[in-house]
Amino acid sequence: AQKITQTQPGMFVQEKEAVTLDCTYDTSDQSYGLFWYKQPSSGEMIFLIYQGSYDEQNATEGRYSLNFQKARKSANLVISASQLGDSAMYFCAMREGRDSGGGADGLTFGKGTHLIIQP
Amino acid sequence: EAGVAQSPRYKIIEKRQSVAFWCNPISGHATLYWYQQILGQGPKLLIQFQNNGVVDDSQLPKDRFSAERLKGVDSTLKIQPAKLEDSAVYLCASSLAPYGGMTNEKLFFGSGTQLSVL
Repeated sequence: AQKITQTQPGMFVQEKEAVTLDCTYDTSDQSYGLFWYKQPSSGEMIFLIYQGSYDEQNATEGRYSLNFQKARKSANLVISASQLGDSAMYFCAMREGRDSGGGADGLTFGKGTHLIIQP
Repeated sequence: EAGVAQSPRYKIIEKRQSVAFWCNPISGHATLYWYQQILGQGPKLLIQFQNNGVVDDSQLPKDRFSAERLKGVDSTLKIQPAKLEDSAVYLCASSLAPYGGMTNEKLFFGSGTQLSVL
C-alpha cells in the first residue's frame, strides 16, 4: 500500500491565486512527521514546511501553510498568492516514528505534483 | 554554510558498464541517505548510513549496487553492471541527527546525479 498518495499529477494555476496540493498518508505509528519539498527543474529538493503528528496548530512558513487533518490522514499544502517562481514539482513526504522499531528512518515520498503557474 | 555536494552532475554510460557517484554531506551531519528518483516518480530510499555504518539497505539491489561511507563523511554509490532501468537521478541527502532522531529532522539534499544508461 502507498504510504504517501498525491492524486494530482499536474496543476495549472493563474499567478496570484492560491493553490492547494493534496496529500494523504498511511501509517500505524502515533508519532510521525510530514514534510513538503519543492523540486525545481534544477533538481535540488528544497524543504518547505513540516507538521508533526502531535502538533495542534497547522504549520505555516511565509506563503506556505499546511492543512493538517489527522483523522482523515491528510496534509495538504496551501500556497497563497502564487508566483511564477513557484512552478516546480512538489513532494509530500513522511517520516514515521518507528513505533514498531527498526528500519530506516528516512523520508518516504509521494509521486509528486507538477505545479505550473501561468501569468 | 556549504550544502550537500554531489558529483558528477550528469553521466551517460552503456548497459553493463560500471559507474560511481560521490556525495559530500553538510559538515557535522551524522546521517547520510542515497535516494533513487526515476523520471515521474518520487525519490525512493536506497540506503541510509549513520556515520560509517549502514542503518538500512533493504531497498538496495545488492547484486549490482554498493555503497560505502568509510570515514563517516563522504560517500560513494556504485552500480556494476548497470541496466537500462537504472536510468534515474541519484540524490544524496544528509541530516544532523543520528539514527532515531526526532521526526521533525529535515533532510538536506544535493542537486543529484542524472544517470542515463543506453
